[in-house]
Amino acid sequence: GAVVSQHPSWVICKSGTSVKIECRSLDFQATTMFWYRQFPKQSLMLMATSNEGSKATYEQGVEKDKFLINHASLTLSTLTVTSAHPEDSSFYICSARVRATNEKLFFGSGTQLSVL
Amino acid sequence: GQNIDQPTEMTATEGAIVQINCTYQTSGFNGLFWYQQHAGEAPTFLSYNVLDGLEEKGRFSSFLSRSKGYSYLLLKELQMKDSASYLCAVRIKAAGNKLTFGGGTRVLVKP
Repeated sequence: GAVVSQHPSWVICKSGTSVKIECRSLDFQATTMFWYRQFPKQSLMLMATSNEGSKATYEQGVEKDKFLINHASLTLSTLTVTSAHPEDSSFYICSARVRATNEKLFFGSGTQLSVL
Repeated sequence: GQNIDQPTEMTATEGAIVQINCTYQTSGFNGLFWYQQHAGEAPTFLSYNVLDGLEEKGRFSSFLSRSKGYSYLLLKELQMKDSASYLCAVRIKAAGNKLTFGGGTRVLVKP
């Protein structure tokens, strides 16, 4: 199956700093990537849809200025959590949709963010 | 909006069968997915249904009834490694085919 690589796997940062998370499709071109957030024992909540070469589409309630998404190439999307606060601590997962596979999603391995 | 419901937790015995139900209320339905997620890991794809009926894949089967807004995931011959969360996700055509996930069902397999 398609491989989606996500880095870093975990990060600890101080409150007020920014953190960048990368998501790469290794063996296919991902025109669309999705960013999810997951709190402990809860399901995945879609934050935004990232389209290559255009602005991301954010879900209601997600601050676009706080969660900056860049999808500059067909294989790379990044999520930057700006001015992180403890309440931003969560598990962030990217996924890519592969055409001609019933458009199922392939997920990255996730990034556990802890803001002190 | 979409409303996707599944039980929070289920417990079963090794070797047994467990059925995880998922009900949904949505417009523009365009497929239902089941994913397995172990703690601290990313979800992995299990099954996909877009037409009514049963899809069987080894020990796992998934059923869909579009008229009832209902699906289930059936896990047979349970193994300890099947202890995980199982996520039901609905794809909405009108929303760019993005997936909306249910709350997930944590399955605990006991010896």
